[in-house]
Amino acid sequence: EAGVVQSPRYKIIEKKQPVAFWCNPISGHNTLYWYLQNLGQGPELLIRYENEEAVDDSQLPKDRFSAERLKGVDSTLKIQPAELGDSAVYLCASSFSQAGNNEQFFGPGTRLTVL
Amino acid sequence: QKEVEQDPGPLSVPEGAIVSLNCTYSNSAFQYFMWYRQYSRKGPELLMYTYSSGNKEDGRFTAQVDKSSKYISLFIRDSQPSDSATYLCAMITSSSASKIIFGSGTRLSIRP
Repeated sequence: EAGVVQSPRYKIIEKKQPVAFWCNPISGHNTLYWYLQNLGQGPELLIRYENEEAVDDSQLPKDRFSAERLKGVDSTLKIQPAELGDSAVYLCASSFSQAGNNEQFFGPGTRLTVL
Repeated sequence: QKEVEQDPGPLSVPEGAIVSLNCTYSNSAFQYFMWYRQYSRKGPELLMYTYSSGNKEDGRFTAQVDKSSKYISLFIRDSQPSDSATYLCAMITSSSASKIIFGSGTRLSIRP
């Protein structure tokens, strides 16, 4: 079974440029998460989708970040414009949410460098 | 103060040694405790999952939770070079909760 797929794996851009990350979750998983992981830190949740609906986006900086999950499968996370402090790894995870079992499976992440 | 505190290391031990990794937390609402392993340039993968206080063993790995002290541990016996990774403790408030709170991770290196 294929895991969570993310692309690109690496991205280098100049500040003020836009950037987008793509995530394909595990087949059948209804919940999708985007996390931010800074160097030497644990992942921090940015947004969680239940199917097509964003049910928790309280930590998403909405002035420059946006996300969408069309048709409840793939998702895109966008930053516009990027700032130097956005350099980090952006992780996507998915799970099949049911009572008592909510294990999240993580993709390899997209490492963003903003120059 | 962070909800979950974890010593970042790095921790370097010889092959075969017993490794002890620890986290403390402040939110008494946490009920489920997890350990994730993250290899370099990979996403975290779930290693151990425990509920409330007590011990859970899985092969060379033992997870221990002490809710009275708000302290959790992961022990690795007979450590192998392949165990070299960053270990993240993580916690959630209930089994259906989706918001995981992660520690900052401990970088572990096992010397052959």
